[in-house]
Amino acid sequence: GESVGLHLPTLSVQEGDNSIINCAYSNSASDYFIWYKQESGKGPQFIIDIRSNMDKRQGQRVTVLLNKTVKHLSLQIAATQPGDSAVYFCAYYSNDYKLSFGAGTTVTVRA
Amino acid sequence: DVKVTQSSRYLVKRTGEKVFLECVQDMDHENMFWYRQDPGLGLRLIYFSYDVKMKEKGDIPEGYSVSREKKERFSLILESASTNQTSMYLCASSPRGPGAAQQFFGPGTRLTVL
Repeated sequence: GESVGLHLPTLSVQEGDNSIINCAYSNSASDYFIWYKQESGKGPQFIIDIRSNMDKRQGQRVTVLLNKTVKHLSLQIAATQPGDSAVYFCAYYSNDYKLSFGAGTTVTVRA
Repeated sequence: DVKVTQSSRYLVKRTGEKVFLECVQDMDHENMFWYRQDPGLGLRLIYFSYDVKMKEKGDIPEGYSVSREKKERFSLILESASTNQTSMYLCASSPRGPGAAQQFFGPGTRLTVL
């Protein structure tokens, strides 16, 4: 079956450094991945997405990389700021409207 | 500003009570979803609806039911609450078509069942 998993449940980053959050998936047919950010007391919020016909996609201070060979994707945050402290989820979208979420990585930014 | 709202942020109920969690979206979205979020498990889909009066079971529907009488409103019902239903409940919505994957979430309801 499908599953989406994250490598590490927590990540501590020095302010100003780059953050890398990793995610692995098991479904070879996966064709659309999304990263969500959940700040304390709020619901998850869309950050960036990537389709399987792409290896890389960039947003504002964020980059998602997709390696289909090893079924791995990552979210890179440049120059991490205190406002980046949150739980980050990767998710796989299937054509029946559903998202399958990973367990989440809690990112803590140290001043 | 688009919005998904949930009726309560915090709720405390007793075992055996019937519990209603309400969700309203103002984006005219066709799809609506109910998830529960538990530490270490991420978000798990309970039920979803892709149209008024339509519902589909998600991954963990046992002990829950839903109602969608109007397009903007999606209710989650715990017929007889149990302690293992203590959790954070998140509602989401998305449009039909190309934007369907981008779900918009409410702030969540933290339910405690004693």
